Amino acid sequence: DAGITQSPRHKVTETGTPVTLRCHQTENHRYMYWYRQDPGHGLRLIHYSYGVKDTDKGEVSDGYSVSRSKTEDFLLTLESATSSQTSVYFCAISESVAGAYQETQYFGPGTRLLVL
Amino acid sequence: SQQGEEDPQALSIQEGENATMNCSYKTSINNLQWYRQNSGRGLVHLILIRSNEREKHSGRLRVTLDTSKKSSSLLITASRAADTASYFCATESGSNYKLTFGKGTLLTVNP
Repeated sequence: DAGITQSPRHKVTETGTPVTLRCHQTENHRYMYWYRQDPGHGLRLIHYSYGVKDTDKGEVSDGYSVSRSKTEDFLLTLESATSSQTSVYFCAISESVAGAYQETQYFGPGTRLLVL
Repeated sequence: SQQGEEDPQALSIQEGENATMNCSYKTSINNLQWYRQNSGRGLVHLILIRSNEREKHSGRLRVTLDTSKKSSSLLITASRAADTASYFCATESGSNYKLTFGKGTLLTVNP
């Protein structure tokens, strides 16, 4: 999985609690992404990062925040988890070569989150 | 909103047969990519075709792109049971470093 780990791999939490998912890469890639995957919706982009401390919203960012304080880690936080955020969350990375964005994305193994 | 839409949603074939999946999209693109996802795993990049390309090959994979129809097809020749997976198309538009994924085609190859 291209040097990408996600933690935890599985989590069960209760509605209203904060949850933080971690994506860690050893590839030194510049771009990092968080997606959620739900039946009938495919993959939808939550947030992405184009550098340390540089992030932007994706298609389904409401209820989520992200932080990237160093190249290798991209954190996704659900401030107050809701049942609608039960999903499988994937992190992805892509690289920059000589300053040029490389379009291919490499995915982590995913985190299964259940919000009760 | 989804940019790419795959068709069919599910496809079941016998080993050795060819599998064809289609992807339609709505707006102009820089490139279109195909990814595979085995059950319970992350997505794996298969092939990328740029907007100025019409056809591309990689091993048993053949991808075509018709920008006038805003559509692409992925052909897997001589399929194997190990090709059983979900296949997603993803498009990149503009210069915002993002991909937009379709909902996927579930391919089952029966031995």
